[in-house]
Amino acid sequence: GNSVTQMEGPVTLSEEAFLTINCTYTATGYPSLFWYVQYPGEGLQLLLKATKADDKGSNKGFEATYRKETTSFHLEKGSVQVSDSAVYFCALSDDNTDKLIFGTGTRLQVFP
Amino acid sequence: GAGVSQSPSNKVTEKGKDVELRCDPISGHTALYWYRQSLGQGLEFLIYFQGNSAPDKSGLPSDRFSAERTGGSVSTLTIQRTQQEDSAVYLCASSLQGGEQFFGPGTRLTVL
Repeated sequence: GNSVTQMEGPVTLSEEAFLTINCTYTATGYPSLFWYVQYPGEGLQLLLKATKADDKGSNKGFEATYRKETTSFHLEKGSVQVSDSAVYFCALSDDNTDKLIFGTGTRLQVFP
Repeated sequence: GAGVSQSPSNKVTEKGKDVELRCDPISGHTALYWYRQSLGQGLEFLIYFQGNSAPDKSGLPSDRFSAERTGGSVSTLTIQRTQQEDSAVYLCASSLQGGEQFFGPGTRLTVL
């Protein structure tokens, strides 16, 4: 079945450091790929998405490119801020129902 | 309303009791999803509604779990004879068909 694997956290960085959170997937068909973010005390919200191979999703300085050849959707940001501290979830959507299948989440902690 | 709302925000119950969790989706959203977020299992899909019918119930962990949706709007997730392993945050999301899922704040269920 479909699944998502993402790197375990926590990831601890200093402000302005470069961020990569790895995500790989297994899927039949052609799912859409997502990154969701959960800030402390807040609900889950969509950060970015890509719907087909080679698409790049971007938002708030974060980027991820849908790589079909490596079945990956790694999240990157060139310069993190303290306010980026949160839990990040990689996910794919089922072709038929659009239900989301999530990775285990990666906690990012950014220190000044 | 402006977003997805869920009630109660917190529920503490004793093992063996039944609980009902409520989700009010964004007005006009035809698709509704329930997910569960727990320490051991991460974020997992439970059930999907399209209108009032549930074409995908594959994530419900046991027959103690059931859900319904009425009037194409409000949904109730019922857990009978709760067990300690049911303790989790239960998330509801809604969307237009094929669109972005918007998540509610969740109900934190604690089974003593």
